[in-house]
Amino acid sequence: NAGVTQTPKFRILKIGQSMTLQCTQDMNHNYMYWYRQDPGMGLKLIYYSVGAGITDKGEVPNGYNVSRSTTEDFPLRLELAAPSQTSVYFCASSYSISGQGEYGYTFGSGTRLTVV
Amino acid sequence: DQQVKQNSPSLSVQEGRISILNCDYTNSMFDYFLWYKKYPAEGPTFLISISSIKDKNEDGRFTVFLNKSAKHLSLHIVPSQPGDSAVYFCAASERTGANSKLTFGKGITLSVRP
Repeated sequence: NAGVTQTPKFRILKIGQSMTLQCTQDMNHNYMYWYRQDPGMGLKLIYYSVGAGITDKGEVPNGYNVSRSTTEDFPLRLELAAPSQTSVYFCASSYSISGQGEYGYTFGSGTRLTVV
Repeated sequence: DQQVKQNSPSLSVQEGRISILNCDYTNSMFDYFLWYKKYPAEGPTFLISISSIKDKNEDGRFTVFLNKSAKHLSLHIVPSQPGDSAVYFCAASERTGANSKLTFGKGITLSVRP
């Protein structure tokens, strides 16, 4: 049971390049999320998904796209990389603990992206 | 507009003493609160949570207290150990519907001195 797996761990992009950050989970969780963490800041929600085929914007979606074709995978796409997207990106999935609205969240180890 | 605030960026305590990490929130719709611990180059790991129907939840050395009227929660670590040195994030969610998105504070860096 690997949990939430993110690839790559590190990447340097040039301005205007594109890339996909991969995220996969093997826990059969319906809910998945992408967060970014800037230095000295908390995690901010980019996009989330409540199940295969369903995605929605979070707090900071501009410059990103997502898709959710399977329960396991939730890739994050950067089409035209900008220096403002330099950050550490975390993927997470969540599961109901008690059936009373309490959720547990499992995070991946992160992708550190630098745009130069 | 920060809905979850961790106003102290860092805390240093002696090994064996109590660590108290504070968190304030402004959104009165939040009813589920979590603490996450994060080591460098790793993802956040779940520590402890509390529902708004409780005012205290305890798990080993970790206790979270919730004061709903003050919109304040705190994490107590007793006794503190050097391995507790990490960044601690407070997070909150509204348990509406089937999805519970988390709103995070900026984090507080805890250093436990041997």
